[in-house]
Amino acid sequence: ILNVEQSPQSLHVQEGDSTNFTCSFPSSNFYALHWYRWETAKSPEALFVMTLNGDEKKKGRISATLNTKEGYSYLYIKGSQPEDSATYLCAPREGAQKLVFGQGTRLTINP
Amino acid sequence: DTGVSQDPRHKITKRGQNVTFRCDPISEHNRLYWYRQTLGQGPEFLTYFQNEAQLEKSRLLSDRFSAERPKGSFSTLEIQRTEQGDSAMYLCASSPTFQGGAAGYTFGSGTRLTVV
Repeated sequence: ILNVEQSPQSLHVQEGDSTNFTCSFPSSNFYALHWYRWETAKSPEALFVMTLNGDEKKKGRISATLNTKEGYSYLYIKGSQPEDSATYLCAPREGAQKLVFGQGTRLTINP
Repeated sequence: DTGVSQDPRHKITKRGQNVTFRCDPISEHNRLYWYRQTLGQGPEFLTYFQNEAQLEKSRLLSDRFSAERPKGSFSTLEIQRTEQGDSAMYLCASSPTFQGGAAGYTFGSGTRLTVV
């Protein structure tokens, strides 16, 4: 079972500020890394699927980078908005099939 | 097809009772996953199906849990003789066959189980 660590566990950010958080995972036998956003009372929503070392993905104000050699990924949010408040989950893929989730980073944007 | 749907959204049951949850995946997706999420933790893998075949089941899952996916369409997750420790959010997700790692999961909204 992969050991996936996300930090920080929770984060309060002022509206308009930028922020970032970390996902750490074992670098051996890497297949892919997924990021999800989970808003309260909604379904987890896929943000990114990253596979290559050095990958950078962007979706609007959110971007992510991947370092498979050292086993970490960063998620960045630029100019935070209230609708960014959610739990952000990272999940490396174990083997060919299943995702192993971290405990998440709970982000709250203060207006 | 509007996504992955799960039923019921909430279930309260007495300890010792059996419960069954249903998941309807996206129709083109041949893979279906069940996860469980407890407070403060990320989703924990329970089991997954490729079409109607159950290909992996977590070792953390006791014999009280069983899942089926007849005909490779909807899936059911049954918990027998529920215990208070079974209280959690049960999430279902589906995906097409992974091709180069490009496919992500589509999740349902989950079934929140409370065992009293």
